Amino acid sequence: GQQVKQSSPSLTVQEGGISILNCDYENDMFDYFAWYKKYPDNSPTLLISVRSNVDKREDGRLTVFLNKSGKHFSLHITASQPEDTAVYLCAAGSNTGYQNFYFGKGTSLTVIP
Amino acid sequence: EAGVTQSPRYAVLQEGQAVSFWCDPISGHDTLYWYQQPRDQGPQLLVYFRDEAVIDNSQLPSDRFSAVRPKGTNSTLKIQSAKQGDTATYLCASSSGTTNTEVFFGKGTRLTVV
Repeated sequence: GQQVKQSSPSLTVQEGGISILNCDYENDMFDYFAWYKKYPDNSPTLLISVRSNVDKREDGRLTVFLNKSGKHFSLHITASQPEDTAVYLCAAGSNTGYQNFYFGKGTSLTVIP
Repeated sequence: EAGVTQSPRYAVLQEGQAVSFWCDPISGHDTLYWYQQPRDQGPQLLVYFRDEAVIDNSQLPSDRFSAVRPKGTNSTLKIQSAKQGDTATYLCASSSGTTNTEVFFGKGTRLTVV
């Protein structure tokens, strides 16, 4: 089965608003959670990541919230801008001995000016 | 620091042909991943290695796909007898498995099977 799931394939937000992207995972051994950004014809690049010993991490306009009991994490983008328009991929993994790392299928975010 | 290098960047095949993709990970990274990314979808793990050992290849279609990393550095992913459904971008990535840090991606090989 799919280890990491993004239930919303697309999201449209007005410029200046808050974009909220959600991700669910299956394996409760996962202890590393990340969001990647992908432009067309480019490979994914890391935006922000968090380990399982914290439930929140902020970096500028980005905040990751982690809910381990619910096996859910989210990315909040405040003051969304048109240049935030891209596909956002969530990923989760584990470092128990050997590292595995799985991605969701992505959410396409469109920020309307 | 050089990033993850992949070649070729593009490949166009007819059904039934074979193709090999090559990946050179970041120096010192012991974990190497191959992902398949169909258009407009996220990367799906095919196989990953720790050094030269295959850790998980459960998602690799074993009848036509194979992957090796014989010296624990470069890796080759091969598709025998390609099908139209194999059309996708094939991404290689690497990380330092001992510290569970960022996974770095190459630019990918875009495969089209006609």
